[in-house]
Amino acid sequence: NAGVTQTPKFQVLKTGQSMTLQCAQDMNHEYMSWYRQDPGMGLRLIHYSVGAGITDQGEVPNGYNVSRSTTEDFPLRLLSAAPSQTSVYFCASSYGASGRKYNEQFFGPGTRLTVL
Amino acid sequence: GESVGLHLPTLSVQEGDNSIINCAYSNSASDYFIWYKQESGKGPQFIIDIRSNMDKRQGQRVTVLLNKTVKHLSLQIAATQPGDSAVYFCAENTRSPRDTGRRALTFGSGTRLQVQP
Repeated sequence: NAGVTQTPKFQVLKTGQSMTLQCAQDMNHEYMSWYRQDPGMGLRLIHYSVGAGITDQGEVPNGYNVSRSTTEDFPLRLLSAAPSQTSVYFCASSYGASGRKYNEQFFGPGTRLTVL
Repeated sequence: GESVGLHLPTLSVQEGDNSIINCAYSNSASDYFIWYKQESGKGPQFIIDIRSNMDKRQGQRVTVLLNKTVKHLSLQIAATQPGDSAVYFCAENTRSPRDTGRRALTFGSGTRLQVQP
């Protein structure tokens, strides 16, 4: 299994540009999520999905959209990039949405995004 | 809002010694507490979790202790090795920010563990 894959690994955008960060998992996980990680800070939840067709907002959802049309894919869209969105973005998935199955999140390698 | 935090940003230990990484939490309603390890340039990796009704849980070379009286969580690593060098995060399994009944992980800011040869 490839696990959780993310593309691209690095991206530079200008303010106002839009783009989509891709995330895919091949473990048939129901739960998927997006986090951002800023220097010296932990991870903050942006959006998550408990299954195909079901998404919800996390702690910091503003400026981001998600959709979940298949179990495998969970893309994150930046609508109009701002310098405050400069961060490292991680996609994660887990077997379940609660309990011990939820505690063990499988993270992708991350996308380092810079917005100028 | 309530959050999970860490006492020490950097911990330096000698190879072979035991390491103790500490974490303070404020949300008493969490069901589980979890430890993750993040190596440089990689995504976080699950280490171990502990249910809120337990005091201690052991894994391979790691032990997590939970003291609910003082809201304190610790990760003990036995016989620390160079491969243990990483940033360690504690996290809580709690309700999602929009309180929809779903769960969310709230992460602390991390402690960097440096293992000296």
